[in-house]
Amino acid sequence: EAGVAQSPRYKIIEKRQSVAFWCNPISGHATLYWYQQILGQGPKLLIQFQNNGVVDDSQLPKDRFSAERLKGVDSTLKIQPAKLEDSAVYLCASSLGVGFPNTEAFFGQGTRLTVV
Amino acid sequence: QKEVEQNSGPLSVPEGAIASLNCTYSDRVSQSFFWYRQYSGKSPELIMSIYSNGDKEDGRFTAQLNKASQYVSLLIRDSQPSDSATYLCAVRLDRGSTLGRLYFGRGTQLTVWP
Repeated sequence: EAGVAQSPRYKIIEKRQSVAFWCNPISGHATLYWYQQILGQGPKLLIQFQNNGVVDDSQLPKDRFSAERLKGVDSTLKIQPAKLEDSAVYLCASSLGVGFPNTEAFFGQGTRLTVV
Repeated sequence: QKEVEQNSGPLSVPEGAIASLNCTYSDRVSQSFFWYRQYSGKSPELIMSIYSNGDKEDGRFTAQLNKASQYVSLLIRDSQPSDSATYLCAVRLDRGSTLGRLYFGRGTQLTVWP
């Protein structure tokens, strides 16, 4: 079974530029998460999708971040314009569903973003 | 964000010893609990999940859950240098409007020395 796919693996941009990250979850997984992980910290939940609907985006900086999951499969996370403090690893994870016991979440390799 | 606290570490143990990692959580709605291992520069890897009070064993790993005390722990027996990593505690909210939200602690860095 293929895992969660993310691209690109690395991205370097200048501040105020825009960037987009792509995620393809494990086949059949209805729940998709985007996390931001700053060096030395745990992953911070940015947004959670259930199929193509947003369940939780309370910690997404909506003035600059946006995310979508059209057709309930692939997802894209965008930052526009980027700030220096956005430098982090952006992790995508998916799980089969939201109800017990389908709750185990699996991560992709992440995208390491450096804003200079 | 719902609070998930882990002992700050770093934790250093000799090879063959038992490593004990602890986690507390603040939200009583939490129903599912996970331990992830994260090697430096890599993404988190799920190693244990636990849903009921008590112990769950998987090889050298034992997860312990006490919902009354809002406490979950991970024991690693016969620690090996390859266990050196950051261990992340994750808590999932499984009721009502918070259904499915998955929150992480800061992680505890474990070093196992030969």
